[in-house]
Amino acid sequence: QKEVEQNSGPLSVPEGAIASLNCTYSDRVSQSFFWYRQYSGKSPELIMSIYSNGDKEDGRFTAQLNKASQYVSLLIRDSQPSDSATYLCAVGDNYGQNFVFGPGTRLSVLP
Amino acid sequence: EAQVTQNPRYLITVTGKKLTVTCSQNMNHEYMSWYRQDPGLGLRQIYYSMNVEVTDKGDVPEGYKVSRKEKRNFPLILESPSPNQTSLYFCASGRAGGNREQYFGPGTRLTVT
Repeated sequence: QKEVEQNSGPLSVPEGAIASLNCTYSDRVSQSFFWYRQYSGKSPELIMSIYSNGDKEDGRFTAQLNKASQYVSLLIRDSQPSDSATYLCAVGDNYGQNFVFGPGTRLSVLP
Repeated sequence: EAQVTQNPRYLITVTGKKLTVTCSQNMNHEYMSWYRQDPGLGLRQIYYSMNVEVTDKGDVPEGYKVSRKEKRNFPLILESPSPNQTSLYFCASGRAGGNREQYFGPGTRLTVT
């Protein structure tokens, strides 16, 4: 059974701080990794994708992947109240067909 | 506007009454998928399709059927719904190739009594 684990939170950070979200996965052959943001009552929205070890930056967001440790993280710099949402980590199999999502981490950015 | 649409958005039905939730995308994506989202369990994949007439089971396919007769449409069929299928359902689509970034529809909230 493939598993993706995340701390459920809530993770509370003050406005302007760095929020750090973590995710671990069980299937060693996983090839693709994604972070989605989901506001309450809305559908998931893609933030970042990462496929190789290291860091990938896009604006205020940085995704980090360590396949040896089976660990993915998302850093949000200069956190804003509008970043308050649930962040879902998703892991794709080696064919890019089957995806397993973590339960999500609820982030609260306090003004 | 590039989008994934689902209908209906809300549905209340009774046990055993067949229903279909439609999903359509206008991005010419080859890949489409259905998920259900339940509190504490996250999103779980029900079925996916790599292209027309190509479908496969995800992690929780029991009690569901799908078909992919046209590239843009991927309906989810519950032939005999049961209360444990009460959930929030999302359809998603993505391009062919390895970078399977998925774009989600607005969701369908289904209640089976």
